Amino acid sequence: GQNIDQPTEMTATEGAIVQINCTYQTSGFNGLFWYQQHAGEAPTFLSYNVLDGLEEKGRFSSFLSRSKGYSYLLLKELQMKDSASYLCAVRGTYNFNKFYFGSGTKLNVKP
Amino acid sequence: DVKVTQSSRYLVKRTGEKVFLECVQDMDHENMFWYRQDPGLGLRLIYFSYDVKMKEKGDIPEGYSVSREKKERFSLILESASTNQTSMYLCASRGGKAGKAYNEQFFGPGTRLTVL
Repeated sequence: GQNIDQPTEMTATEGAIVQINCTYQTSGFNGLFWYQQHAGEAPTFLSYNVLDGLEEKGRFSSFLSRSKGYSYLLLKELQMKDSASYLCAVRGTYNFNKFYFGSGTKLNVKP
Repeated sequence: DVKVTQSSRYLVKRTGEKVFLECVQDMDHENMFWYRQDPGLGLRLIYFSYDVKMKEKGDIPEGYSVSREKKERFSLILESASTNQTSMYLCASRGGKAGKAYNEQFFGPGTRLTVL
């Protein structure tokens, strides 16, 4: 089976840095994705990692270690609008349309 | 701007009814998906389609069917709705050619279906 684990909920302060972890055990791997989902809205794409290392995109960075089955999303200079759920997803090897999602991490940013 | 639209934001149906959820994308994407999202379970793939009239089962296809008669439209059908199909249904699309749209899935706003 496929197993994607991430914390259920986190709280952080405006202006701070927060790291959201994701561990995975899947039968194949062809990329790890992070999505942001505000309450009542559609998920929107944040990042994609297929090779080990850090990908930076503005205030958001995503890291991948394939040997450890581990990724994290790093959010810097937190803003109130970053309060949302963050979804980790892994794409399978044999079918580029098979994505396995974690249950999401709800991030609460407080003033 | 990529746009995926779904026919309804909220829907209330009765047990045993046949339910149609419609999804339309305007990006000429080859691949389209239907997920359901439940608290604590994340997004689970019901069906996907990689071309017109082509479909494949996802992880939880039981009780559902799909139709893709045109490239831009992907329909999810609940043949006989049951209370355990009460959920948020999300449609998504993805490009089939190399480039930015190849890896990203673009999601619609979702349909919250309640089956009484």
